[in-house]
Amino acid sequence: KNEVEQSPQNLTAQEGEFITINCSYSVGISALHWLQQHPGGGIVSLFMLSSGKKKHGRLIATINIQEKHSSLHITASHPRDSAVYICAALDSGGGADGLTFGKGTHLIIQP
Amino acid sequence: EPEVTQTPSHQVTQMGQEVILRCVPISNHLYFYWYRQILGQKVEFLVSFYNNEISEKSEIFDDQFSVERPDGSNFTLKIRSTKLEDSAMYFCASRLNRGGETQYFGPGTRLLVL
Repeated sequence: KNEVEQSPQNLTAQEGEFITINCSYSVGISALHWLQQHPGGGIVSLFMLSSGKKKHGRLIATINIQEKHSSLHITASHPRDSAVYICAALDSGGGADGLTFGKGTHLIIQP
Repeated sequence: EPEVTQTPSHQVTQMGQEVILRCVPISNHLYFYWYRQILGQKVEFLVSFYNNEISEKSEIFDDQFSVERPDGSNFTLKIRSTKLEDSAMYFCASRLNRGGETQYFGPGTRLLVL
C-alpha cells in the first residue's frame, strides 16, 4: 500500500512569490496526479505525470521516479492560487486502479 | 468542456436511512470511481467500476455500499443503512481509458448523517 506524504502542510506566502510543494511516495507508481481543491470542496485535476516535467501557465510539475518524489511549483503566485493542493499516486501493477491521496498542502497567498 | 456532474450537492439524512448519490460521468468515459473525504481528512478511494462491474474496492467499501450504472449515463453510490461516520464529501470521478489518462472529478455531494 502506497504512503503519500506532502510538505509543507500549510504555506502562507506573499503575492508574487515562487511556491514549491513537495510530494513523496513509498511504492513505485504508474502516474502521479496533482489536484487543486477549493474552499467549496470541488477537486480540479492540474497535472498527471509519469516522468519528467509538465507546465501549464504558471504551474510546473516535476517528478523523479528514482527518488519517488514530485514537486509542484507556482511562479508569480496570486491570491487566486489560494487553495489546497493534493498529490495522488496511481500505483503500478497489481490491478490497482484507485488513487492514493496525500493530506494536501493548504496554500494561502496574501496580497 | 464536458464535466462530471453530481446530485444532490448536499444531503442530510437520519442514521439508518438509505441514501443514493448520483453521478453523471463524462459521456465517452469508461472507468468510474467513487471517493470520499471526511471533514478535515484526506480523500480516500472507495471503488472503481468498469464494464458494468466493480474492478477494485477499498476496505472502506463494505457490504453497506453498492454501486450501479442503471443506464447509459448515471453512476450511483448507495449506502444501505447510514452511520454517523458516513458523513463526508463524496466525489465521483471518471476516466476515458485505464492507463495514462487523467481522472476528472465531479463537484462532490456533501452527506451529513444525523
